[in-house]
Amino acid sequence: AQKITQTQPGMFVQEKEAVTLDCTYDTSDPSYGLFWYKQPSSGEMIFLIYQGSYDQQNATEGRYSLNFQKARKSANLVISASQLGDSAMYFCAMREGLAAGNKLTFGGGTRVLVKP
Amino acid sequence: GAVVSQHPSWVICKSGTSVKIECRSLDFQATTMFWYRQFPKQSLMLMATSNEGSKATYEQGVEKDKFLINHASLTLSTLTVTSAHPEDSSFYICSARGQTGGNNSPLHFGNGTRLTVT
Repeated sequence: AQKITQTQPGMFVQEKEAVTLDCTYDTSDPSYGLFWYKQPSSGEMIFLIYQGSYDQQNATEGRYSLNFQKARKSANLVISASQLGDSAMYFCAMREGLAAGNKLTFGGGTRVLVKP
Repeated sequence: GAVVSQHPSWVICKSGTSVKIECRSLDFQATTMFWYRQFPKQSLMLMATSNEGSKATYEQGVEKDKFLINHASLTLSTLTVTSAHPEDSSFYICSARGQTGGNNSPLHFGNGTRLTVT
């Protein structure tokens, strides 16, 4: 079974509008972390936001916020006030367990294209 | 912030030759480094976990004799693609975590290496 699922292969969003990228995950470990990364066409992976399984509040980082619904095992990324530079691939990822060396498992990604 | 340098950024080689890719943590010590492979329009797939001073742990289906990983110091891990073939053409990207990173510390990624085997 897929550990991380991103059901939207691609999305268009109008500049200055908000967009929500879906991410659902599957784990039996009570301790885990969820990450979102942005990958522009140049290829580098840019860390955006983190949500821990025990965090009581939804994470926010500037224009990025994470809608964490633990019971539904979803961790959707919300980008507010989209900018042209937000056009990129976005990956949701999960780390299971608390060990510092635990690997990240990535979802299939969502391509976002911001229209002027 | 933490920086991971990956070199080369792109390489073209002939089938049958070997290619070495370096991954360095520039301002922190990385006890663990991860090597991922990304085919066009696909996600990142973990190839192996590299721990300083010990043998790498390979994911199922990844040939350890073909993808040699060496993590000889706390700041350097190398991936050598031996006897490369056209199907090995891909984007290889490394990542690292520091010794003091907690569960919420993200992986820091290199800029990746685009390998083309002709």
